[in-house]
Amino acid sequence: GAGVSQTPSNKVTEKGKYVELRCDPISGHTALYWYRQSLGQGPEFLIYFQGTGAADDSGLPNDRFFAVRPEGSVSTLKIQRTERGDSAVYLCASSVVGSDTQYFGPGTRLTVL
Amino acid sequence: QQQVKQSPQSLIVQKGGISIINCAYENTAFDYFPWYQQFPGKGPALLIAIRPDVSEKKEGRFTISFNKSAKQFSLHIMDSQPGDSATYFCAASLLTGGGNKLTFGTGTQLKVEL
Repeated sequence: GAGVSQTPSNKVTEKGKYVELRCDPISGHTALYWYRQSLGQGPEFLIYFQGTGAADDSGLPNDRFFAVRPEGSVSTLKIQRTERGDSAVYLCASSVVGSDTQYFGPGTRLTVL
Repeated sequence: QQQVKQSPQSLIVQKGGISIINCAYENTAFDYFPWYQQFPGKGPALLIAIRPDVSEKKEGRFTISFNKSAKQFSLHIMDSQPGDSATYFCAASLLTGGGNKLTFGTGTQLKVEL
């Protein structure tokens, strides 16, 4: 079946703008994670959803970042008033509840000019 | 605070050789230690993982060695092939509350030369 998909693959925006990044998890995966990967670094955890609710949002860097998953499937990561430091690849992963394995999407490369 | 330290940053190995990547962690509560492989433009993909109740796990050419007392674990790639050239990340997590929040190392860029 299809893997985790993320759109857009690339997003270029200007400082101060609002962006939305979308993640389509593998069908049936109730656990969904967002990570941020800066150049030359490992992914850093942002937020974890179990179903529709955010079970752990301890990795969100500040209140400009917000994520939703209204129907327990697709998730959207929203970033307000973007800053140049937000430039990174944003990765989404999903897994089956009770499984250790997370399946990652290809990421969205966000560039803030 | 970097909770998972990874070395080396880059590694060049001859085809057929052994690639070894090392990681050290700080949080003794971690109970899951996976290794991920990432190709350019792709998301990380799980290679192999280990729990702290075993000292070694082997899957094909990939082996994890785990030393709980030293809080260290390593990835060995036997008979390294050019197709193994990628970036490798170790990670650790605490499997509680149904979640699996991964803490990643900084990555090792492996190049396997002919």
